[in-house]
Amino acid sequence: DIQLTQSPSSLSASVGDRVTITCRASQSISTWIAWYQQRPDEAPKSLIYAASILRSGVPSRFSGSGSGTDFTLTITSLQPEDFATYYCQQYNSYPITFGQGTRLEMK
Amino acid sequence: EVQLLESGGGLVQPGGSLRVSCAASGFTFSGQLMTWVRQAPGKGLEWVSSISGRGTTTNYAESVLGRFTVSRDNSKNTLYLQMNSLSAEDTAVYYCAKDTNVDHWGQGTLVTVSS
Repeated sequence: DIQLTQSPSSLSASVGDRVTITCRASQSISTWIAWYQQRPDEAPKSLIYAASILRSGVPSRFSGSGSGTDFTLTITSLQPEDFATYYCQQYNSYPITFGQGTRLEMK
Repeated sequence: EVQLLESGGGLVQPGGSLRVSCAASGFTFSGQLMTWVRQAPGKGLEWVSSISGRGTTTNYAESVLGRFTVSRDNSKNTLYLQMNSLSAEDTAVYYCAKDTNVDHWGQGTLVTVSS
């Protein structure tokens, strides 16, 4: 199975900050990675697929990069609605796996 | 507009069975791979199962293999997850999702396994 390790597990930041979340895969997954945002008591929301392609309607302050085993999600100029938990997911092969999540909290 | 609406969750005793459903609309259901993802209370996301558009290919997480069965009725645009031999570890919100690289999620249905 492909393991995904996100770092950090939690992060405190302020409105207007730039933050970066990292996701490392236990083996190469090319660019078969997606990122999701989940606010408390809500279903996840899809942000990015194929490592760097923004889903329709997702603000441009979100961006993704990486290939192989190392990936990043960057949020520039944090907005109040961005404080949530973020998950990476690999869909290179079954079993599909998720990272453990990164909780982004307001400082 | 894509819509995924889960139903069928509830309270079930350990060892019991339950079937959850997902009614899909707004896209060509029969051509689309579908996925179930679950989330235990306070925990992260866990992939459960995926099924091809025609229903001929299925994949399962090891934690549910042999106990859960995914199926679909393309004439009804509905996805199913039959869950047998349930235990407390299966307590979770079950999300229906479009594709493995998910672009749309349902709102989820809560399954609670408890005596």
